[in-house]
Amino acid sequence: AQTVTQSQPEMSVQEAETVTLSCTYDTSESNYYLFWYKQPPSRQMILVIRQEAYKQQNATENRFSVNFQKAAKSFSLKISDSQLGDTAMYFCAFSRGSNFGNEKLTFGTGTRLTIIP
Amino acid sequence: EAGVAQSPRYKIIEKRQSVAFWCNPISGHATLYWYQQILGQGPKLLIQFQNNGVVDDSQLPKDRFSAERLKGVDSTLKIQPAKLEDSAVYLCASSLPEYEQYFGPGTRLTVT
Repeated sequence: AQTVTQSQPEMSVQEAETVTLSCTYDTSESNYYLFWYKQPPSRQMILVIRQEAYKQQNATENRFSVNFQKAAKSFSLKISDSQLGDTAMYFCAFSRGSNFGNEKLTFGTGTRLTIIP
Repeated sequence: EAGVAQSPRYKIIEKRQSVAFWCNPISGHATLYWYQQILGQGPKLLIQFQNNGVVDDSQLPKDRFSAERLKGVDSTLKIQPAKLEDSAVYLCASSLPEYEQYFGPGTRLTVT
């Protein structure tokens, strides 16, 4: 079974600063995907970024980037130039296999991020 | 493109009552998921459908929860009878192969 651990229940940062959210996972799978999801107060889960385990290059999406350390089973999210709209719960998630569209997501417990004006 | 629709958004019931939630996935998405998100936790998969067949229901409390996806389109999740510990947000998601899961806005259930 897979487990996902987020050790930071809450974080806060000043607007325009950079913040890093941590995530570790445990799996015996060789093919898998890792995700960061954002859940604002509206409850709608929104995909922020995705990383394929077979890719060595870290994924980047505009102000969001990841630091994927496969050997250490670590997957952190860096948010640059943070904005008020980034305030939300952030969940790290794992999906096994090579076809992530058909596999369930295993989520961590989340990190509540607050951006301070 | 319309997103995943869920109803109702909120539901309050007393313990031992029954309740049903409805989900309409994005058109053409063959895979549909129901997740339970208890306050302070990440979502946990209850059941996964591929078209109208069940792929994974290992975490579904089958003595009280049931789900169906008739005709491989929309789905209903039922709880009968409800317990206090069933208070949670119930999220529905859908996906195509090789693509991300899209989530609906969820139904917040409070059992008193």
